[in-house]
Amino acid sequence: DAGVIQSPRHEVTEMGQEVTLRCKPISGHNSLFWYRQTMMRGLELLIYFNNNVPIDDSGMPEDRFSAKMPNASFSTLKIQPSEPRDSAVYFCASRHRRLNEKLFFGSGTQLSVL
Amino acid sequence: SQQGEEDPQALSIQEGENATMNCSYKTSINNLQWYRQNSGRGLVHLILIRSNEREKHSGRLRVTLDTSKKSSSLLITASRAADTASYFCATSTGNQFYFGTGTSLTVIP
Repeated sequence: DAGVIQSPRHEVTEMGQEVTLRCKPISGHNSLFWYRQTMMRGLELLIYFNNNVPIDDSGMPEDRFSAKMPNASFSTLKIQPSEPRDSAVYFCASRHRRLNEKLFFGSGTQLSVL
Repeated sequence: SQQGEEDPQALSIQEGENATMNCSYKTSINNLQWYRQNSGRGLVHLILIRSNEREKHSGRLRVTLDTSKKSSSLLITASRAADTASYFCATSTGNQFYFGTGTSLTVIP
C-alpha cells in the first residue's frame, strides 16, 4: 500500500496566484480530511469528505479556499487568490469509516506564499 | 473548540528515561488517540483508547484516560533517541478528529 500521496511536496508562489494541492487517499478509504498546520494555530481541520461528499467545511478559513473530491481516489484543495498568511503545511488524511478509527496522513505540502 | 491541549509544550530527557506528556480536552469523546510527527513528515498513529477504557499499553507506550477530568497521558518508557518527535493527542466524536497543540520531545543520546 502506497499510503496517502500528496503533491506537490513544496510549493512557492507569489501573492495573488492560484494554488492547487492534490491528494490521493489510500485505496478503499471512504473518508478524507484536509488539515493545515502552523506554529501559531497547530493542526486545524479545514474540511472532510465522506464517500466523496463534503460533510463539514466550517474550518475553511475564507471563500478563497475550496476543496473538491470528484472521485474516491482524488481530492484537491485550491486557494485563489493566495495570500502570505496562507503559508503553512497542508496535510491530507484518510480512513475507512467502518473498519478503522485512525487517520493515515500524507507527507504534507509545504506552501510558501511570498 | 474541541481542540485538546498538550502539556508540556516541550520536553527534553536523557536516553533511557521515561517521558510523560499530558492532554486535556473540552467535550465528550468517543475515543482519544495519540499520534507522532517526525520533523517534516506527516502524523503517524500510535495508540487509541476508547472512552470506556482507563488504561492501554502498546510496547513501550502506556496511555491513560480520565473522562471525569477530560484528560489523558502518554508515557514512553525507556526512551530512545529515535523517539525524538512531536506528539499529539486527537479527540474523536465519530467523524471528526481534533488535534491538540503537541508536545515536542527531545531524547538526548
